[in-house]
Amino acid sequence: ETGVTQTPRHLVMGMTNKKSLKCEQHLGHNAMYWYKQSAKKPLELMFVYSLEERVENNSVPSRFSPECPNSSHLFLHLHTLQPEDSALYLCASSQEGPGPYSSYNSPLHFGNGTRLTVT
Amino acid sequence: GENVEQHPSTLSVQEGDSAVIKCTYSDSASNYFPWYKQELGKGPQLIIDIRSNVGEKKDQRIAVTLNKTAKHFSLHITETQPEDSAVYFCAAINFNKFYFGSGTKLNVKP
Repeated sequence: ETGVTQTPRHLVMGMTNKKSLKCEQHLGHNAMYWYKQSAKKPLELMFVYSLEERVENNSVPSRFSPECPNSSHLFLHLHTLQPEDSALYLCASSQEGPGPYSSYNSPLHFGNGTRLTVT
Repeated sequence: GENVEQHPSTLSVQEGDSAVIKCTYSDSASNYFPWYKQELGKGPQLIIDIRSNVGEKKDQRIAVTLNKTAKHFSLHITETQPEDSAVYFCAAINFNKFYFGSGTKLNVKP
């Protein structure tokens, strides 16, 4: 299998549930990302992991908890979510250049997302 | 930080016509500009990209132009087909940070 794979594709959960989203990349990249995509809003960056270390957390509520056990896998653990958290959650990977200020850039490769509905 | 603006938000064309989507950016340090296409039920897929040392790039029916002085770049699709209907996103990248436009929904009418 190639590219970026996300599971599950669809998830319906109640506000008191705990669930996890899974992402796996087969591209040999060194950085992985979680984005939130809501209707009629730009893509919102949630978390960035570079070389398995979290390098960015865009003021995301603590009910979202990321985990990156290795450079190929990324999880997003969900608990006590709110209805407004319903959205498409996209995982992406890229090959970052050396250092945080590297001018080398490669494109993001996205998975097909998990459509989350919180009831 | 960088600010990317994308226009129009929706675009409807007749099959066979051309479509143009425009983006502007604010930070002159941005040096890489990819374009993504997102079909219903899928994640965004890279369709073409351009680096700041190039003014134009073509790939079959799609092309991207970049004007660094004016800080704007555009996606051109010629001979549009119904399968080109999707949401298109532009992005500007600098120092490993990605900044996305808000998207253009393109509808190609048969």
